[in-house]
Amino acid sequence: DAGVIQSPRHEVTEMGQEVTLRCKPISGHNSLFWYRQTMMRGLELLIYFNNNVPIDDSGMPEDRFSAKMPNASFSTLKIQPSEPRDSAVYFCASSTTATQETQYFGPGTRLLVL
Amino acid sequence: SQQGEEDPQALSIQEGENATMNCSYKTSINNLQWYRQNSGRGLVHLILIRSNEREKHSGRLRVTLDTSKKSSSLLITASRAADTASYFCATNTNAGKSTFGDGTTLTVKP
Repeated sequence: DAGVIQSPRHEVTEMGQEVTLRCKPISGHNSLFWYRQTMMRGLELLIYFNNNVPIDDSGMPEDRFSAKMPNASFSTLKIQPSEPRDSAVYFCASSTTATQETQYFGPGTRLLVL
Repeated sequence: SQQGEEDPQALSIQEGENATMNCSYKTSINNLQWYRQNSGRGLVHLILIRSNEREKHSGRLRVTLDTSKKSSSLLITASRAADTASYFCATNTNAGKSTFGDGTTLTVKP
């Protein structure tokens, strides 16, 4: 299996621009998680889905952030408009629904907002 | 504050020595997991210990869990330079999501 796939791996954009991060979970995994990692705040759970349905989005910082999972093999995290404080590494992870115990992380997207 | 908090924040040892990291948490858990993150990479799952288990081994890793103290420890024996990474504990509750601590940065000097 290819593992969790994220794209792009690096993104540099200017403040105010829309940013879309993409994730393909491991085939057969029914839970998908979006995390943000910064030096100041560590690893934060933004949102997670079960069977394509958002279960907990309490970690989404504000309305500028939105996430979708239109099918079992694809999810997006969108930031509109982006701000410099959104600069971070964004990770996607997936796990099987039955346990949600072991999460398999993607390589991350390193976002820099200028 | 975080459900899981690692201690120490940073640890530097010589190759061949053992490394011990601790994790404390606040609420009842179903299980606790340890992950490793190499610089610039995603997290990799190392080991899971359930709330009814007290100790678990995997290769050079030994994890203990004390639910009465709400704490866990990760021991890496005979450390290698390749063990240099950040180590995170994550707690899983009935809510179904894992909560990660801030991590311990381990440096193993050759």
